[in-house]
Amino acid sequence: AQKITQTQPGMFVQEKEAVTLDCTYDTSDQSYGLFWYKQPSSGEMIFLIYQGSYDEQNATEGRYSLNFQKARKSANLVISASQLGDSAMYFCAMRGLYGNNRLAFGKGNQVVVIP
Amino acid sequence: NAGVTQTPKFQVLKTGQSMTLQCAQDMNHEYMSWYRQDPGMGLRLIHYSVGAGITDQGEVPNGYNVSRSTTEDFPLRLLSAAPSQTSVYFCASSHGTADLMNTEAFFGQGTRLTVV
Repeated sequence: AQKITQTQPGMFVQEKEAVTLDCTYDTSDQSYGLFWYKQPSSGEMIFLIYQGSYDEQNATEGRYSLNFQKARKSANLVISASQLGDSAMYFCAMRGLYGNNRLAFGKGNQVVVIP
Repeated sequence: NAGVTQTPKFQVLKTGQSMTLQCAQDMNHEYMSWYRQDPGMGLRLIHYSVGAGITDQGEVPNGYNVSRSTTEDFPLRLLSAAPSQTSVYFCASSHGTADLMNTEAFFGQGTRLTVV
């Protein structure tokens, strides 16, 4: 079975600072995809970034980057230069063939950006 | 481009009532799924479908039924609502190519359901 772990308590981040959100996972798959989603207080789920298990380079999308350490089974999200609009819940997720490509989510990390 | 559309956005039910949450997507995605979100629990998979006529159970299927008669629609039925089904429900779809494991899911806006 696939399992995603996000255990950080709620985080307060100063505007313009960087923040790292931890995500570890467990899977029997050799090939899998890792995803991060953002959920602002309005409730919608917004896709941020993706990392494939065989990608040699860490994924980046604008201010978002993914610190992928395959041997440690971690896929941490880094948000650089935080903005007030980054205040949200962030979810790590993965899917792989062993799980029939079902997208499994962690419990999320709450981030509050303060001016 | 509508994407994934869920209706209704809000619903209050009495215990024992039945209802159907609607989900439609206009992206011709083969893979669709339903999640429920409860505080502190993340998103948990209820049911999913890999194409028209094919459905399967997820992590928390009890109390819910689904069917998939068309590619576009994937309704979720609550046959006899219980207070434990009070939650926010999300429908999601993905392009079901051979590379599905590397494909993001697109989510609807969610349905907030309260069972009293």
